[in-house]
Amino acid sequence: QQKVQQSPESLTVSEGAMASLNCTFSDGTSNNFRWYRQHSAKGLEVLVSIFSDGEKEEGRFTAHLNRANLHVSLHIREPQPSDSAVYLCAAYNTNTGKLTFGDGTVLTVKP
Amino acid sequence: GGIITQTPKFLIGQEGQKLTLKCQQNFNHDTMYWYRQDSGKGLRLIYYSITENDLQKGDLSEGYDASREKKSSFSLTVTSAQKNEMAVFLCASRGQGDNQAPLFGEGTRLSVL
Repeated sequence: QQKVQQSPESLTVSEGAMASLNCTFSDGTSNNFRWYRQHSAKGLEVLVSIFSDGEKEEGRFTAHLNRANLHVSLHIREPQPSDSAVYLCAAYNTNTGKLTFGDGTVLTVKP
Repeated sequence: GGIITQTPKFLIGQEGQKLTLKCQQNFNHDTMYWYRQDSGKGLRLIYYSITENDLQKGDLSEGYDASREKKSSFSLTVTSAQKNEMAVFLCASRGQGDNQAPLFGEGTRLSVL
């Protein structure tokens, strides 16, 4: 079964500095990937969806997928304190309908 | 616009009690999911359903039952609540098409005394 590992577990950056988060998956059975954000005690907000190798940008959020390396990353440009949240990577298998999440990265953006 | 409604928002149970959580969506989505999130952790899949009356086990199905009574609703039952258990249960739904992003409800927060 697909397993998703996120790193680092927590990350602190200064406002305006690039934040980079990583996600590796255990096998090639998933077909598309998403990054979600979860503010404390709130629901999940989808940030970026990516379905093929390369980059996908949504505003200040850019995802980069490399299937050969079983890796997807998220880069946040000019992060602000309001971006402080838990970031979750999810791998979706279009054959089974199964959606698997990583354990998340806690991002803190200091003013 | 559509919405995913989870009830109740907060649930306090007793050890050994059977507890039922409900999820309704009005997007007309085919697939629905139940996840458990423990404090500071990611989401673990309990059950999912690809269509009405379908049921698929996730990675954490032991101790739970689920029911997809109709397309718009998906229920989860904790068969025997564990003492001091605390978690958030999140419901999601997803439309057809590979590009459809699963959307989430706001969760049910469970505490077991």
